Amino acid sequence: AQTIHQWPVAEIKAVGSPLSLGCTIKGKSSPNLYWYWQATGGTLQQLFYSITVGQVESVVQLNLSASRPKDDQFILSTEKLLLSHSGFYLCAWSPDWGGNTGQLYFGEGSKLTVL
Amino acid sequence: GDSVTQTEGLVTLTKGLPVMLNCTYQTTYSPFLFWYVQHLNEAPKLLLKSSTDNKRTEHQGFYATLHKSSSSFHLQKSSVQLSDSALYFCALGSWQLIFGSGTQLTVMP
Repeated sequence: AQTIHQWPVAEIKAVGSPLSLGCTIKGKSSPNLYWYWQATGGTLQQLFYSITVGQVESVVQLNLSASRPKDDQFILSTEKLLLSHSGFYLCAWSPDWGGNTGQLYFGEGSKLTVL
Repeated sequence: GDSVTQTEGLVTLTKGLPVMLNCTYQTTYSPFLFWYVQHLNEAPKLLLKSSTDNKRTEHQGFYATLHKSSSSFHLQKSSVQLSDSALYFCALGSWQLIFGSGTQLTVMP
């Protein structure tokens, strides 16, 4: 069975500080990977997607970057946090191109509070 | 462009009553529609999906029918339970998965 793990579960960071969030998928070779952002009680905004190692596409510009250093790992980062970065970050994977099948499997998320 | 509209931001009901959460969409492609449910402090999970016109799809007591004529995919349940309290997202399959704004369903005893 496939599993998805996100870390850290929660972070409290200062404005201007760096951030790194991670996601690992086990049990699935070459998954499509996604980063989503969610304000408290809000909708899910796709940030990045990756179809293969080393290739990441940006969907929206939020002063964040993403990388896929390994087939099963997806990293979200920034060098300088803004207050607007606060929220819930969700990593997801899909066996097929997510837009057409919609079968996304989400991690448990990382809650980020920027003060 | 493609879009999804959920008109109710918050729905509060008493246990045992029926519920319908509205979802309409706009797309120029053949639609693939989904409902995701997110319980408090949990990840969203797929509840229902459909791409077949006028066919009812069901799961865990919830059901929805894709109506291409009205561009709708409303979520229904005949009798809500306390455990149904959650955030519900309608989503449209496009080049990416486009989520609606979400409907918070709260079920009272």
